[in-house]
Amino acid sequence: SQQGEEDPQALSIQEGENATMNCSYKTSINNLQWYRQNSGRGLVHLILIRSNEREKHSGRLRVTLDTSKKSSSLLITASRAADTASYFCAPGSARQLTFGSGTQLTVLP
Amino acid sequence: GAGVSQSPSNKVTEKGKDVELRCDPISGHTALYWYRQSLGQGLEFLIYFQGNSAPDKSGLPSDRFSAERTGGSVSTLTIQRTQQEDSAVYLCASSLGQSYNSPLHFGNGTRLTVT
Repeated sequence: SQQGEEDPQALSIQEGENATMNCSYKTSINNLQWYRQNSGRGLVHLILIRSNEREKHSGRLRVTLDTSKKSSSLLITASRAADTASYFCAPGSARQLTFGSGTQLTVLP
Repeated sequence: GAGVSQSPSNKVTEKGKDVELRCDPISGHTALYWYRQSLGQGLEFLIYFQGNSAPDKSGLPSDRFSAERTGGSVSTLTIQRTQQEDSAVYLCASSLGQSYNSPLHFGNGTRLTVT
């Protein structure tokens, strides 16, 4: 199994701005998943992108995957205060998923 | 449809005591995972169950930690002779199939405090 590393560790933006978080990993993957965690709660699955996909959209979320660079990015457009949370990537290449330390996003009203 | 349920939501115990944490996965989910999250940190994988296969215990930090899954459904994580460093949130998740192909559904965790 391998662990994704999210960057930056913390990000603070104004409501309405876009937020971009990055994820890097080390070995080949079947897919990559992004999760969100609100304070005091479990993680919530946001989106899964397969290794043969380059970009995927879901509402205000846009995920890209570059397997040659072993990296992924999560873009949240037109951010809202409710988007304040920690965001984790999980590269999928083995039976179990491992998670990094996440990006803490704060959206200021 | 109920999600993943964990109990208790909070547990305070004295150092040296044993604790049991329970996880009820989503019905029909064959895979079940336990993770540990320390304050402000990422998730540390503990153990993984998939159907009738032998569990992947590679993440258990010591032999004080054990877990079982009865009847392919409910799981119990047991920590014996608890230590203060065991204080963390213990998260359970389940998925329909292999984790790298199926999203994980998490419970809200059990916050364990060892005094």
